[in-house]
Amino acid sequence: DQQVKQNSPSLSVQEGRISILNCDYTNSMFDYFLWYKKYPAEGPTFLISISSIKDKNEDGRFTVFLNKSAKHLSLHIVPSQPGDSAVYFCAARPDYKLSFGAGTTVTVRA
Amino acid sequence: NAGVTQTPKFQVLKTGQSMTLQCAQDMNHNSMYWYRQDPGMGLRLIYYSASEGTTDKGEVPNGYNVSRLNKREFSLRLESAAPSQTSVYFCASSEGGQTEAFFGQGTRLTVV
Repeated sequence: DQQVKQNSPSLSVQEGRISILNCDYTNSMFDYFLWYKKYPAEGPTFLISISSIKDKNEDGRFTVFLNKSAKHLSLHIVPSQPGDSAVYFCAARPDYKLSFGAGTTVTVRA
Repeated sequence: NAGVTQTPKFQVLKTGQSMTLQCAQDMNHNSMYWYRQDPGMGLRLIYYSASEGTTDKGEVPNGYNVSRLNKREFSLRLESAAPSQTSVYFCASSEGGQTEAFFGQGTRLTVV
């Protein structure tokens, strides 16, 4: 039973526009949420995180929003660049165990 | 700065063979993890070690064993490989608690 769900397998966006990736979770014990980016044949790399005591965290072009009542988080990338084309994983943890979603493949078109 | 190093990068096994995937981290992290990635499934936790001397099962532990050899090293063993274990395996480490995990480059394993 997947506790972290990314319901959009893919997203195509024009360069310069905003990319919005969504993630839902079911476990109310999750208190720390992360986004990872993965290129083919490489390991996932950490992008940005948010604690459950916050509702927004920004780092350059990346912003993560958390809506605890809806058990939903989103990642905004503004502006999208060609190098952002990758698979993005949402992840969440209550303690040591980190649970991942299935991923969303983002393609940035020129 | 190596981070998390996994060996080997690629491996082909015959059904029933055994092998050990090695992982080492040089960040002095307390916690280490083994994940597998399958198409459409994301990354699923096989086993983790919260700290040196402890190991616990994750979501998909069947068919695997682990050893936390010391603080740096965490190995994953397949005793009798099955085609269902064909996957990409990732090792990761973290300080623990509310911190990010750092991943290795992965091991692509094919069981025929």
